[in-house]
Amino acid sequence: DAGITQSPRYKITETGRQVTLMCHQTWSHSYMFWYRQDLGHGLRLIYYSAAADITDKGEVPDGYVVSRSKTENFPLTLESATRSQTSVYFCASRQGSYNEQFFGPGTRLTVL
Amino acid sequence: AQSVTQPDIHITVSEGASLELRCNYSYGATPYLFWYVQSPGQGLQLLLKYFSGDTLVQGIKGFEAEFKRSQSSFNLRKPSVHWSDAAEYFCAVGDGSEKLVFGKGTKLTVNP
Repeated sequence: DAGITQSPRYKITETGRQVTLMCHQTWSHSYMFWYRQDLGHGLRLIYYSAAADITDKGEVPDGYVVSRSKTENFPLTLESATRSQTSVYFCASRQGSYNEQFFGPGTRLTVL
Repeated sequence: AQSVTQPDIHITVSEGASLELRCNYSYGATPYLFWYVQSPGQGLQLLLKYFSGDTLVQGIKGFEAEFKRSQSSFNLRKPSVHWSDAAEYFCAVGDGSEKLVFGKGTKLTVNP
């Protein structure tokens, strides 16, 4: 199906483990984004990418790694998960600089 | 840097009543403004956007918003709320660069 998908939708992991959240979009949008959503903080930008092989830090990048080898995929890796990274993670994409962002359904991550 | 304030964390209205959700932004030039809605367990869906032109913007689901430069506001309105409108609403501002800045959201409860 066309659109933006995230996997897994739910994930429970333990402190110290590596976790990768996947994001895939079928529109060939140039821009892709990762946000985390926490109560009282709204949406905060973790990383974004303007094109394949171009990534940049957002507001809260510490503890996260991203890559973008293909336009349609933008995985987010927690190299050593911590409890403070328990959150709902949203991926988004956008075509061009003056358009709205389209959001995926989110991944609920729990770090025990 | 731009910022967004949604003064109301939680609003309760009766079904059929009118609704206004407040959004104030801080940005030196003409901003790009968005309202998104998030139903429980879902991603964010765009309700409407303002880039330029007519300051009264019509969106989906019967929502509208008015851009008031003098008040740095972009309030969301609906004349008659339906139970299905219960959700969380986010205002966002962009400057044409890669990033959007989101407010912390307003949760809407609709009483029957």
